[in-house]
Amino acid sequence: SQKIEQNSEALNIQEGKTATLTCNYTNYSPAYLQWYRQDPGRGPVFLLLIRENEKEKRKERLKVTFDTTLKQSLFHITASQPADSATYLCALLQYNAGNMLTFGGGTRLMVKP
Amino acid sequence: ETGVTQSPTHLIKTRGQQVTLRCSSQSGHNTVSWYQQALGQGPQFIFQYYREEENGRGNFPPRFSGLQFPNYSSELNVNALELDDSALYLCASSGLGGRNEQFFGPGTRLTVL
Repeated sequence: SQKIEQNSEALNIQEGKTATLTCNYTNYSPAYLQWYRQDPGRGPVFLLLIRENEKEKRKERLKVTFDTTLKQSLFHITASQPADSATYLCALLQYNAGNMLTFGGGTRLMVKP
Repeated sequence: ETGVTQSPTHLIKTRGQQVTLRCSSQSGHNTVSWYQQALGQGPQFIFQYYREEENGRGNFPPRFSGLQFPNYSSELNVNALELDDSALYLCASSGLGGRNEQFFGPGTRLTVL
């Protein structure tokens, strides 16, 4: 079965710096990979989706890369702000698994002013 | 356009009881997925419903069952509750059979005593 690993330790950075979060996966290459943001006590909110044939995707201050050789995705937030503090979840979908979305454990990001 | 709603917000049950959780999908979405999220972990896929049929199931026992109605709203039923069933239960709706971004509800916090 698919296993997704995200750094379980919180990432603490200074406001204005770039935050980089890592998502590693095992076994089959997913059809596509998604990143979500989750605030305490709330449901995840979709941020970005990147397909297996794409290397990079950008949206405003967010950038996602997808390396199917390394089986890794990197999620970057540039010019980080305290409002970016949250848990970020990576999720993978495989078409041969009934459209099942498999989530990593999430990485908590703390941006200090 | 209304978002995904879930009811109830919180629920306390005792071991052995049965529970029904409800979800209204976002307008225009025909796919609903249910997830279980334990504290400090990522969401775990329970199952997905597409046009009233189960379209995929995660590693959960048969006492977890569901329904999707003609208006695409959905129910999650859990029988013979166990202490480990205590978690945040999330519902997510999407279009295209679940192959794109998912829109999550706020979740139902279930506590089993």
